[in-house]
Order: sequence, then C-alpha cells, then structure tokens
Amino acid sequence: DAKTTQPPSMDCAEGRAANLPCNHSTISGNEYVYWYRQIHSQGPQYIIHGLKNNETNEMASLIITEDRKSSTLILPHATLRDTAVYYCIVRVANNAGNMLTFGGGTRLMVKP
Amino acid sequence: DVKVTQSSRYLVKRTGEKVFLECVQDMDHENMFWYRQDPGLGLRLIYFSYDVKMKEKGDIPEGYSVSREKKERFSLILESASTNQTSMYLCATVEGYSYEQYFGPGTRLTVT
Repeated sequence: DAKTTQPPSMDCAEGRAANLPCNHSTISGNEYVYWYRQIHSQGPQYIIHGLKNNETNEMASLIITEDRKSSTLILPHATLRDTAVYYCIVRVANNAGNMLTFGGGTRLMVKP
Repeated sequence: DVKVTQSSRYLVKRTGEKVFLECVQDMDHENMFWYRQDPGLGLRLIYFSYDVKMKEKGDIPEGYSVSREKKERFSLILESASTNQTSMYLCATVEGYSYEQYFGPGTRLTVT
C-alpha cells in the first residue's frame, strides 16, 4: 500500500471549514484514499473514501487531485467535537483481509 | 449500528503473566483485526482473521497469538506479557470486502 504524508497538527476556528491535506505521491491506479478519525480515548471512525472523483457525505468532502498524488479532507463547518486525529490511508479496495495501515495522522484542534 | 466491544478499557498486568484480550462484534462480519496503537507509530496490525478458525499474521505478530472459535469473538493472547507490550489495543471488524472498518473502544494495557 502507498505511503501517505500528513502535517502533524492543525488548528481551525469553530464554524469554519477545516481543510486537511494528504500527500500520496506513490499511489497506484487501483488504490483508494480513505479517511478515518480518532477522537481521544475512542477507536478510529470511518469518515469517507474515494478513488478519483470527489466525494461528499454527511460528515465531510474528499477532494482528490487529478493526478491522484494528493487529496484534501474538508469538514465544512468544524465543531469542537471534530477535534481528533485524522488519518489518511491509501490501500487497494479488496486486498486480502481488508487491513488498514495507519500513519501518524493530523491532530486537528478546533478552537472556539 | 454495528457494535464492537472489548472486554476491558483498562488492564494492568505483571511481566510474565498470560493476558487475554477479548473482542466481540454483533454484526456477523467475517473479518476481524487486532491493532496496537503507540504514540508516534500510529496503528499497527498484529493479527487478523477472515473466518472462524482462520488467522493471518499482520505486521507485528511476535509475542502474540489469537483465537477465533466463534464468528463473533476474536481473542488476542499475550503468552508472557512484557513491558514493551504496554500499549492501546484496538479491535476492528469489517464485512467481507466492505470499505468501512468498525473499531472497538480500545483496551489500554499496562505491563509492569
């Protein structure tokens, strides 16, 4: 699975959009981009995933560049409860066992 | 909602003890995983299972074993606990080749 690079931490004002970048320059054609987050003292939580088209769900939007070498997770109106570590993961959709490899992630602090 | 439960949130054991960590899921999912999470290292896969009595090694299986006698239950065993196994242990489950892993709340194990 391709390696990802994320900034270790970011701040965001409450009510503003939080834009979390992820670089995955070695991504291959059959690898998806996944985002999870982990709120303190809880297990990770799935947010969204995509292959090459931009995706949106009730939690967030995922913007993937045309060359697929990077992506951005957007939380459109961040709240204090969005304070968490956000993980960007790249993997083949149907690899055996469906395992995930989590890197260091980005610690997002939403401030009032 | 999928529910993944782990037997303990906090556990303190002595070096050399045999430790059992239990994970139970209520959604009849085939795949189950055990990860450990350490500061600066992200989540690392220890073992996973894609069916009853089936198991596969992850990235860091040394010092651990697993048991899956029933579909809903996946146990992680530390045969002889050591201080370097002090960590947060997370169980996860996913249905078949779905995209979304569901995580339990985690067990924070301290080995003294």
